[in-house]
Amino acid sequence: QVQLKETGPGLVQPTQTLSITCTVSGFSLTSYYMQWVRQTPGKGLEWMGFIRSGGSTEYNSEFKSRLSISRDTSKNQVFLKMNSLKTEDTGVYYCARADDGYTLDYWGQGVMVTVSS
Amino acid sequence: DIQMTQSPSVLSASVGDRVTLSCKASQNINKNLDWYQQKLGEAPKLLIYFTNNLQTGIPSRFSGSGSGTDYTLTISSLQPEDVATYFCFQYNSGPLTFGSGTKLEIK
Repeated sequence: QVQLKETGPGLVQPTQTLSITCTVSGFSLTSYYMQWVRQTPGKGLEWMGFIRSGGSTEYNSEFKSRLSISRDTSKNQVFLKMNSLKTEDTGVYYCARADDGYTLDYWGQGVMVTVSS
Repeated sequence: DIQMTQSPSVLSASVGDRVTLSCKASQNINKNLDWYQQKLGEAPKLLIYFTNNLQTGIPSRFSGSGSGTDYTLTISSLQPEDVATYFCFQYNSGPLTFGSGTKLEIK
């Protein structure tokens, strides 16, 4: 069955870099887009970006200058890295599989990230 | 950016009621819209894709409709397990955007 699970640091200091790993099973990363979505108290649900089945990426311009999405298909993992963190980046970060490119048909449980000194 | 406006922000209804949730886009999104249900403490869950297609395993009391800028999610007979926040999501053009949600409560 399809499963996704995010793992991350929980607490990150302001100005530091956030790294989250999404480990998937039950499908191939080379057949689906993988999206990242976050949910913050200030802005609700926000689409962050995706990596296509072919490996190219697209980002929300809101994050483009500090966001990077990559993957390791041999390990069935997708990675999110975002630098220069601010307190308003505090929230839950989700990876999701995108059927037909955009519809988010399976989601991970999410990982809570707190940005605080 | 396309803005998605959901109304009402909070809806209280009785079990068995027919419930209608609205999502309005700031420009034509050509039916490129999904609906998600999020229960407290859980990840969002896909209910409806491309405006009116029911995701596998979702009860048939859920339905979607709309075109252009105006879209609707309908629950034909509200059940206690439908208590959740509902979000619309457009993928017609980037950046992809979510609505702010409608919180559905039972009276």
